[in-house]
Amino acid sequence: AQKITQTQPGMFVQEKEAVTLDCTYDTSDPSYGLFWYKQPSSGEMIFLIYQGSYDQQNATEGRYSLNFQKARKSANLVISASQLGDSAMYFCAMSYFGNEKLTFGTGTRLTIIP
Amino acid sequence: ETGVTQTPRHLVMGMTNKKSLKCEQHLGHNAMYWYKQSAKKPLELMFVYSLEERVENNSVPSRFSPECPNSSHLFLHLHTLQPEDSALYLCASSQVRSSSETQYFGPGTRLLVL
Repeated sequence: AQKITQTQPGMFVQEKEAVTLDCTYDTSDPSYGLFWYKQPSSGEMIFLIYQGSYDQQNATEGRYSLNFQKARKSANLVISASQLGDSAMYFCAMSYFGNEKLTFGTGTRLTIIP
Repeated sequence: ETGVTQTPRHLVMGMTNKKSLKCEQHLGHNAMYWYKQSAKKPLELMFVYSLEERVENNSVPSRFSPECPNSSHLFLHLHTLQPEDSALYLCASSQVRSSSETQYFGPGTRLLVL
């Protein structure tokens, strides 16, 4: 079974600085996908970025990038030029190809300070 | 973004009540999910419907009863709930057996059981 670990329960970052949210995973299956979601206080889980295990390049979506280090089994989320609206819970998640089950980490609460 | 909608957004019910949560997806997806999010716990998968068939129920108590009448609609019927069932219930949808099986979430229903 896959396991997702997010070791940072909370982070405080100055506005406009870059921030890295850590995520490590544990699996012996070579075919998987990694996801990051943002959950504001309103509750909705917002999809941010996806990385497939066979993707050669790190995924990027606007200010979000995923630092994928396959050998270390880490998939850190990097947010560049942080904004006040980035304050939220961030969840790392994983699924196997062809399997609908998505396993989530415990999340990191990010607070952007003006 | 209104790809996945959920109603009601908030619900307060007694332990003897019967209520239903509704989820609708407008993304043309073929799989739908119910998740439970309790305080200080990882997101828990409750039910998966893929191609309108239930594929996983993760040992959820029988007081939770899902219904998926078609690929766009998903219900969660609630009866004789317990206070520990108070949580945020999130619905999601995805396109399984495609190049991207990203799950997209609705805004959630905050349930309080008294």
